[in-house]
Amino acid sequence: EDQVTQSPEALRLQEGESSSLNCSYTVSGLRGLFWYRQDPGKGPEFLFTLYSAGEEKEKERLKATLTKKESFLHITAPKPEDSATYLCAVQADYGQNFVFGPGTRLSVLP
Amino acid sequence: EAQVTQNPRYLITVTGKKLTVTCSQNMNHEYMSWYRQDPGLGLRQIYYSMNVEVTDKGDVPEGYKVSRKEKRNFPLILESPSPNQTSLYFCASSPPVASRMANVLTFGAGSRLTVL
Repeated sequence: EDQVTQSPEALRLQEGESSSLNCSYTVSGLRGLFWYRQDPGKGPEFLFTLYSAGEEKEKERLKATLTKKESFLHITAPKPEDSATYLCAVQADYGQNFVFGPGTRLSVLP
Repeated sequence: EAQVTQNPRYLITVTGKKLTVTCSQNMNHEYMSWYRQDPGLGLRQIYYSMNVEVTDKGDVPEGYKVSRKEKRNFPLILESPSPNQTSLYFCASSPPVASRMANVLTFGAGSRLTVL
């Protein structure tokens, strides 16, 4: 069974304090790993897609990396506007189903 | 503006009273899906549709129905809602596999349903 776990469940950072969020996954064959950001009261918004181990993607203060078992979302010098819940999802290569993790709730304090 | 529109955004109903949550997208996407989001469980897929008249069960389909008669619309039907269907529901769509953004989901704003 495909599974995604995320850690930590919640993370509180001071503005400028860099850190990483973890996404561990189990899937028989990976088509893609996705990162989304979700603000309170809104639907998730797409951040990155990673397809193979060793791949990296960057966008502003965020950088996503992928290994065969996990993905990291690195946040460099975060700002309060980076506060959100970050969701990780995998899509297996055998179907169209997406499996989401429970998310990491990030708070960045000024 | 490219978007996925869900209605209603908020609904309180009673056990057994049939309801429909509508979902419409204006991006000509072929793939559409429904999720429910519950605390600690994340997003779980209810049903998805690869194209018109093609639907399939996700991980938690019990108690739900869907239809895809038009490309842009994908309503979620609860024939006899029960309290355990109280949740936050999201509709999402994605472009064809040949697209540069294939498999990237665009989500609606969510529909919060409470079943008493």
